[in-house]
Amino acid sequence: QIQLVQSGAEVTKPRSSVKVSCKASEGSFSKVRINWVRQAPGQGLEWMGNIFPLLNEIKYDQTFQGRITITADSSTTTVYMELRSLTPDDTAVYFCAANYYDASGSSPFDFWGQGTLVTASS
Amino acid sequence: SSVLTQPPSVSVAPGKTASITCGGNNIVSDSVHWYQQKPGQAPVLVIFYGSDRPSGIPERFSGSNSENTATLTISRVVGGDEGDYYCQVWDSHSDQWVFGGGTKLTVL
Repeated sequence: QIQLVQSGAEVTKPRSSVKVSCKASEGSFSKVRINWVRQAPGQGLEWMGNIFPLLNEIKYDQTFQGRITITADSSTTTVYMELRSLTPDDTAVYFCAANYYDASGSSPFDFWGQGTLVTASS
Repeated sequence: SSVLTQPPSVSVAPGKTASITCGGNNIVSDSVHWYQQKPGQAPVLVIFYGSDRPSGIPERFSGSNSENTATLTISRVVGGDEGDYYCQVWDSHSDQWVFGGGTKLTVL
């Protein structure tokens, strides 16, 4: 079982940046990819990108390319997602989710964090 | 990238069967995963690789597929099954995950 604990809610100004953290269970970094998924109020799920910390393999959704950075700190088993140039449309709950690493990259998201509400408002 | 189409809503009486479809061009149904999400909560995996069920998920939940369409079936529906259901696939051409738009299941 892998547990994911996310940082707390954030209120930010438009045009600023936000950095959300996701701390994974000890020993998990060699086994899973950590994904970021967001959900705007009343809307569906939107995948943003992921990282396999052991090899530092990173993928981003084209929608966020150039505006997002995902990093991992193996010493604390924590993954970070930074989103820049925020607009009110970025107001959403941001989830991290883990799937076991496999060559195809298509394994399901077995474990989820509790979500972090990010509000971008002036 | 792939586009997955789900009906926005499905309603079913208690004890009946609910079917939620997920359609898309070139969808490989045995690579489809399904999630249930209740208000204010993170999604929960209910079916993976088209028809496999995680431990702890009732046998009432099942998955199947036909050409370009995956289906989540919930038998003997109970009130606790209400929520939003999302299908998901990995698009290997664009190296991206894609979610369907979600289906709100209402138990009458």
